[in-house]
Amino acid sequence: DTAVSQTPKYLVTQMGNDKSIKCEQNLGHDTMYWYKQDSKKFLKIMFSYNNKELIINETVPNRFSPKSPDKAHLNLHINSLELGDSAVYFCASSLGTDINSPLHFGNGTRLTVT
Amino acid sequence: KNEVEQSPQNLTAQEGEFITINCSYSVGISALHWLQQHPGGGIVSLFMLSSGKKKHGRLIATINIQEKHSSLHITASHPRDSAVYICAVSLAGNQFYFGTGTSLTVIP
Repeated sequence: DTAVSQTPKYLVTQMGNDKSIKCEQNLGHDTMYWYKQDSKKFLKIMFSYNNKELIINETVPNRFSPKSPDKAHLNLHINSLELGDSAVYFCASSLGTDINSPLHFGNGTRLTVT
Repeated sequence: KNEVEQSPQNLTAQEGEFITINCSYSVGISALHWLQQHPGGGIVSLFMLSSGKKKHGRLIATINIQEKHSSLHITASHPRDSAVYICAVSLAGNQFYFGTGTSLTVIP
């Protein structure tokens, strides 16, 4: 199926650990994103990559590092996890950055830091 | 103050009712998006528009660029429309701002 897929769906880990969330899209899109949805359901963009190059890096802690090995993949690595990192993380992609490029979202990864 | 404001925050409607969700924004935008988040958590893009009006089935989205306002309408609402509806705007440089969402419950 053509889609944006992210793994794992659930991630429970302890403070201080390092973890990664993977995202892959087979839609042929050029742009990929990571969003964080907090406990109040508020979505905020974290990173945006276009053709493997970072074009947005919001003010997130540098413990968060995106890695894009190719334009179909955008992985999110998180170092030294903190309680406040608990949230749902969504990956998304779009064909480009113009009006004809709607967003396609993955199903989210629920991260719980204990 | 959030760059994107939605109203109402919560909405309960009877099946069959006409529903309107409003979105106002304070920045210059490239496009406005309406997203639907299902109770299971998945997010689906409903509309992306920069002017005028778009219709898909029972859903209609309108935007007034001068007034910096958009509305999402649902005609003949159905319980399966129950979800959180999120307004988002995209700016030049691929910046995004999101509203806090409108939680809609449609009662049979």
